[in-house]
Amino acid sequence: AQSVTQLDSQVPVFEEAPVELRCNYSSSVSVYLFWYVQYPNQGLQLLLKYLSGSTLVKGINGFEAEFNKSQTSFHLRKPSVHISDTAEYFCAVSDIGGYNKLIFGAGTRLAVHP
Amino acid sequence: GAGVSQSPRYKVTKRGQDVALRCDPISGHVSLYWYRQALGQGPEFLTYFNYEAQQDKSGLPNDRFSAERPEGSISTLTIQRTEQRDSAMYRCASSLTGTGGAGSGNTIYFGEGSWLTVV
Repeated sequence: AQSVTQLDSQVPVFEEAPVELRCNYSSSVSVYLFWYVQYPNQGLQLLLKYLSGSTLVKGINGFEAEFNKSQTSFHLRKPSVHISDTAEYFCAVSDIGGYNKLIFGAGTRLAVHP
Repeated sequence: GAGVSQSPRYKVTKRGQDVALRCDPISGHVSLYWYRQALGQGPEFLTYFNYEAQQDKSGLPNDRFSAERPEGSISTLTIQRTEQRDSAMYRCASSLTGTGGAGSGNTIYFGEGSWLTVV
């Protein structure tokens, strides 16, 4: 069984500041890792995913995440946030070789202030 | 269509009534998933279809919940005798293929969800 822990339920930050949203996972099998974003009144949108290869993954809107196998973490970062980044962010995992059943964390609400 | 379409977007129903939520996946997508998301929580897996076959229904909370995808395209999630605890966002998602091997890791596309409120 897998589980995902997002360590911060809310992260307030000022515009143009850097941000890190933390994600740790637990699994008895190898997993793929994902970050999804939910903007107000919209569906979940994939930001980025780690399948294999380089542990630093770049996604849309200037976000990137680093897979750390020894620490079972997949933290999301952005060097300079914008007001438009205000949203809820979800970390998720799925079994390698499975049928893409996603296990989500509880989410982190990023609030960017002017 | 261009994306995953769900209807209705908002549904208010009285306790004890049955509700049906519809999902129209992206054209050509073989795999279809249903998730439920309570306020302040992440989405929770309910069930998975590969074409018309329901291959995993382990997340359905009880026998009041059922889902079908008879022709391998549109899917319906039905909740019978609704209870207040069923109030949540119900999300549908699809991917090109979800089966193991080459399909594993494919991007899953989510619809905007159906908000269900049971009063």
